[in-house]
Amino acid sequence: AQSVTQLDSQVPVFEEAPVELRCNYSSSVSVYLFWYVQYPNQGLQLLLKYLSGSTLVESINGFEAEFNKSQTSFHLRKPSVHISDTAEYFCAVTPPNFGNEKLTFGTGTRLTIIP
Amino acid sequence: DAGVTQSPTHLIKTRGQQVTLRCSPKSGHDTVSWYQQALGQGPQFIFQYYEEEERQRGNFPDRFSGHQFPNYSSELNVNALLLGDSALYLCASSLEGSNQPQHFGDGTRLSIL
Repeated sequence: AQSVTQLDSQVPVFEEAPVELRCNYSSSVSVYLFWYVQYPNQGLQLLLKYLSGSTLVESINGFEAEFNKSQTSFHLRKPSVHISDTAEYFCAVTPPNFGNEKLTFGTGTRLTIIP
Repeated sequence: DAGVTQSPTHLIKTRGQQVTLRCSPKSGHDTVSWYQQALGQGPQFIFQYYEEEERQRGNFPDRFSGHQFPNYSSELNVNALLLGDSALYLCASSLEGSNQPQHFGDGTRLSIL
């Protein structure tokens, strides 16, 4: 079984400041890791994923996340946030073969950008 | 290319009633998963359907049931509704064996009075 911990339920950040959203996971098997973003009144959109290979993965909108196996972490970072980044962010894990496996989500971090 | 579509978008029911939520997967996908997202929580896996069979199930009571049709669309049924069933219900689709992430719909917001 897997579990995901997102310690920060809310993170307020000034516009153009850097941000880090923390995610730690627990699993007895290898996992794939994901960050999903949820804008108000919408479903989940995949932000980025780690399957294998380079431990640093990037999204098209400036976010990046680094897989750290020894610390069982997959923290999400952005060097300079924008108002449009205001959303709920969910970290999730699944065993490999994730097209067929359930996703286990954390409780989410609400990112609020302050103008 | 249509993504995952869910209907209705909002629904209000009273305790004890029954409800049916519908999901059409993304074109080309054959697997449908359902998740419940309570207010302020992350989504919780309910069950997954593939080849019209329930393949996996999360920790939800038998009041929650589902169905998948030959065209891969799916329904989620909840009987004897409780106040605690109020949540956003999300449908996600994927392609068996593709090793690609699940795509989510915008969900159905279910409110129980």
